[in-house]
Amino acid sequence: NAGVTQTPKFQVLKTGQSMTLQCAQDMNHEYMSWYRQDPGMGLRLIHYSVGAGITDQGEVPNGYNVSRSTTEDFPLRLLSAAPSQTSVYFCASSYSGIRRTGELFFGEGSRLTVL
Amino acid sequence: KNEVEQSPQNLTAQEGEFITINCSYSVGISALHWLQQHPGGGIVSLFMLSSGKKKHGRLIATINIQEKHSSLHITASHPRDSAVYICAVPHGGATNKLIFGTGTLLAVQP
Repeated sequence: NAGVTQTPKFQVLKTGQSMTLQCAQDMNHEYMSWYRQDPGMGLRLIHYSVGAGITDQGEVPNGYNVSRSTTEDFPLRLLSAAPSQTSVYFCASSYSGIRRTGELFFGEGSRLTVL
Repeated sequence: KNEVEQSPQNLTAQEGEFITINCSYSVGISALHWLQQHPGGGIVSLFMLSSGKKKHGRLIATINIQEKHSSLHITASHPRDSAVYICAVPHGGATNKLIFGTGTLLAVQP
């Protein structure tokens, strides 16, 4: 099993450009999520999904869009990049039991710089 | 008040020392996660626990649900344990929205 695969690992964008961060998992996990990590702050939840066709907002959803058309994939779209979106992004998945999230499996992270 | 607070923020230890990292949270929860992030950024899950104690190798995690407190212990610490240790709890207690502490940066010196 590859686990959680995130691409790209590095990306530089200009303000206003759009892009998609890809996340795929091969563990048949129901729960997938995107986080951003900024210096001095904990990981913050952007969006999450508890199954195909079901997504919901996290703590910092503005400027980001997600969809979950398959169990395996959960892409994160930046609609119009802003310098404030410069960050390291992590995708994570887990088995999702009733009312709780199981052990988390993280991708390697994507470092995004918006100029 | 943040929902998750970790202490200390930074910790330096000598190889072989017993280490304790603390996590306090303000909401009722169903489970708490401990994660490890090495320099270079990869994050791995160490423990998920909802009661009592779990042990994996030299790592031990405990949780006291009534006191809303968890500790991560490292016995016989080693330089390879140098990393950021992060705790996380479900936001609002029992949902799939996780709230993370800011992490404890541990440096173990040989």
